[in-house]
Amino acid sequence: NAGVTQTPKFQVLKTGQSMTLQCAQDMNHNSMYWYRQDPGMGLRLIYYSASEGTTDKGEVPNGYNVSRLNKREFSLRLESAAPSQTSVYFCASRAGGPHSGNTIYFGEGSWLTVV
Amino acid sequence: AQKVTQAQTEISVVEKEDVTLDCVYETRDTTYYLFWYKQPPSGELVFLIRRNSFDEQNEISGRYSWNFQKSTSSFNFTITASQVVDSAVYFCALSEASGQNFVFGPGTRLSVLP
Repeated sequence: NAGVTQTPKFQVLKTGQSMTLQCAQDMNHNSMYWYRQDPGMGLRLIYYSASEGTTDKGEVPNGYNVSRLNKREFSLRLESAAPSQTSVYFCASRAGGPHSGNTIYFGEGSWLTVV
Repeated sequence: AQKVTQAQTEISVVEKEDVTLDCVYETRDTTYYLFWYKQPPSGELVFLIRRNSFDEQNEISGRYSWNFQKSTSSFNFTITASQVVDSAVYFCALSEASGQNFVFGPGTRLSVLP
């Protein structure tokens, strides 16, 4: 049972380069999320998708774009990477809608370094 | 606005000691959900417990127990007879029924020394 799968697990980028983080879930969940984790700041929401075809900004969306390709997949794109985007990125999914109170399940994280 | 505070940045205990991790939350909603997650050194986030605002019954699962008190807006987590494998960062989180977001606290790093 794979749950939430993210790729790549590690990536080093040069400032100005672009890249896409891929995320897929096999739990038939409606809602999907992208968080970033920085030391001492917990997890902060970048974007979320309540259902296929919809996306909304979270707390820290600047510098990122997302695509909810289908129910399973939710990708995060950095168009022009900056050192401030060095972080650990977590994809997550949740059964039901965003108001359901259901538990959110996380992928294993993607470590991104921008030099 | 919703907010989660974990005032303890780091805690160190010796194996077999009991330890309590504090979580205080703020919300305007009457219906909300509280969670605890564990992040071991390997980095993944592991779900531990979910509690809704209408259920103030404390819960025990093995060495873990949770104390939910609406009167003080707290959802504290106690590990009894701690073990080295309990060393991790623990996050408390809040999800309002009226909102889309999960809000996480900054986390508490627990080190259990042998």
